[in-house]
Amino acid sequence: GAVVSQHPSWVICKSGTSVKIECRSLDFQATTMFWYRQFPKQSLMLMATSNEGSKATYEQGVEKDKFLINHASLTLSTLTVTSAHPEDSSFYICSAIAAVGTDTQYFGPGTRLTVL
Amino acid sequence: TQLLEQSPQFLSIQEGENLTVYCNSSSVFSSLQWYRQEPGEGPVLLVTVVTGGEVKKLKRLTFQFGDARKDSSLHITAAQPGDTGLYLCAGEGGNKLVFGAGTILRVKS
Repeated sequence: GAVVSQHPSWVICKSGTSVKIECRSLDFQATTMFWYRQFPKQSLMLMATSNEGSKATYEQGVEKDKFLINHASLTLSTLTVTSAHPEDSSFYICSAIAAVGTDTQYFGPGTRLTVL
Repeated sequence: TQLLEQSPQFLSIQEGENLTVYCNSSSVFSSLQWYRQEPGEGPVLLVTVVTGGEVKKLKRLTFQFGDARKDSSLHITAAQPGDTGLYLCAGEGGNKLVFGAGTILRVKS
């Protein structure tokens, strides 16, 4: 149980375009989901906390107008990278906390974004 | 701001050797977790330690939480090539996880 999926697993896009990444909790409902960013051989940096039905809470230094987060249901959160640039190329990972039970974060497999 | 310092950053050892990874902070965490991550994949939870002084064992891996809940260690006995990966510690504070910088472990056969 407690499986989190991400789609797509990798994406290549042109500079200036927008890219949407989906994070789904497959077998549980998640009131809270988190979005992280990870550069090669580095740790995970929290970008924002996404709560179902409310606005996301962004970490300091993360542009909310560039990284749009929508958590419309208890099983889906989306991250849209708007007007992507090469410096946005990174590994984006989401995690989810179950609505019922422990506060354990279950991580998705990540999405590799490459902006040309 | 809560910070977790993880050391060493990189470790390359021979199969069969033992190793220890450390995670230290000046902050107290309600719990601390250890993850292992392989390239191109998300982190996989290895263990959660909650009680100060707690020791948990997972086959050849031994995890310890400091008495003051500010530090933790991961000890691997008789490392194997399959242990190769990025090891991350993460402290829970305010419903968020604060990650250490990670330790890249390479076990050579």
